[in-house]
Amino acid sequence: GQQLNQSPQSMFIQEGEDVSMNCTSSSIFNTWLWYKQEPGEGPVLLIALYKAGELTSNGRLTAQFGITRKDSFLNISASIPSDVGIYFCAGRYNNNDMRFGAGTRLTVKP
Amino acid sequence: DARVTQTPRHKVTEMGQEVTMRCQPILGHNTVFWYRQTMMQGLELLAYFRNRAPLDDSGMPKDRFSAEMPDATLATLKIQPSEPRDSAVYFCASGLDEKTGTGLPDTQYFGPGTRLTVL
Repeated sequence: GQQLNQSPQSMFIQEGEDVSMNCTSSSIFNTWLWYKQEPGEGPVLLIALYKAGELTSNGRLTAQFGITRKDSFLNISASIPSDVGIYFCAGRYNNNDMRFGAGTRLTVKP
Repeated sequence: DARVTQTPRHKVTEMGQEVTMRCQPILGHNTVFWYRQTMMQGLELLAYFRNRAPLDDSGMPKDRFSAEMPDATLATLKIQPSEPRDSAVYFCASGLDEKTGTGLPDTQYFGPGTRLTVL
């Protein structure tokens, strides 16, 4: 099961609004990743973070690696209907054992 | 655009039958992972391989599940005998466990999954 606390579990927003979600853990990680999963597909990597404090953007998406290395945030600006999906955070420490959050289900109303 | 491929995409079988799922990792990747996704448990790591050697399969029920990599281009996950509680989506992911080379290190690229239903 998951060892990361991801919140919120779900979000219903209006097109054009900004979105924020986060993941926290009691453990530190060396890598934080954010994935998006659409129905019937596997998770697709959005952003990878490798250093504490790192802020990385991918189009309208911005993610940050928390200073304590125990959390990460994902923001989506000016949401559009195709942003709909489930967003997962994942953390990795010193091996290939990736831990995933439970996901944030995003619904965007046109 | 290199991708992880999985077959079959869907499988419906009866309890007690053997199920084999296949995965072709991205060429050049040296790590392969098998995950199971359910509504209740989310994404659970079942097993992973580095350079074709199994490194961790502690997440896998040993009595009925087995994972192998016959060669660098094929990974298999087998369930024998299958049970209704095995119904889930099974994902394969591959990655590059080095700081050089193509692709982002320390990341995993997922296949589209195999949706398994055991009746």
